[in-house]
Amino acid sequence: SAVISQKPSRDICQRGTSLTIQCQVDSQVTMMFWYRQQPGQSLTLIATANQGSEATYESGFVIDKFPISRPNLTFSTLTVSNLSPEDSSIYLCSVRPRLGAQRGYTFGSGTRLTVV
Amino acid sequence: TQLLEQSPQFLSIQEGENLTVYCNSSSVFSSLQWYRQEPGEGPVLLVTVVTGGEVKKLKRLTFQFGDARKDSSLHITAAQPGDTGLYLCAGLKTNTDKLIFGTGTRLQVFP
Repeated sequence: SAVISQKPSRDICQRGTSLTIQCQVDSQVTMMFWYRQQPGQSLTLIATANQGSEATYESGFVIDKFPISRPNLTFSTLTVSNLSPEDSSIYLCSVRPRLGAQRGYTFGSGTRLTVV
Repeated sequence: TQLLEQSPQFLSIQEGENLTVYCNSSSVFSSLQWYRQEPGEGPVLLVTVVTGGEVKKLKRLTFQFGDARKDSSLHITAAQPGDTGLYLCAGLKTNTDKLIFGTGTRLQVFP
């Protein structure tokens, strides 16, 4: 299965600033996703990162707040913009296995963001 | 609104006890996956169930997919402290690659 390197692992940011999270995969993958995990809760899908085109956002998430780049099949970034304390969460990237979704999606270790 | 509701939300038990976690939805999924997540890590796949009524066993863990492919359960026999973690069911929506997670069950097993 793919190996994901996600950076940074944690950060503390001032409100009003932005944080960019990087997700690097050790092999080419077609499907990459970004999730948010609020404190003590489950994962919520933010968007699908599409290579060569704009990301597809889920209801409640917008491009201005969560711009996503996907320049190639192994790399993506998620930016959380205009930070507020409500953005304090763990952000995770995920990839679908090449041989089919039933083999289980692989996740990065997450980025723990604290906004002060 | 969360499409997949898990119960219970929290579970604290003694080593050796049995437990069942439920994952319910009003939606039909093409398959359902169970993950376990430990602090500081991403979720890790335990099992995928695809066929309605399917039962899969993984050592002391038994997974079942409902006949209508809307619900699932995870049963752990003789729980051990190493089973402690956040258990997440996740449904794959039909004709998409989107994995939608349940609300989660946090399990703590005391020695």
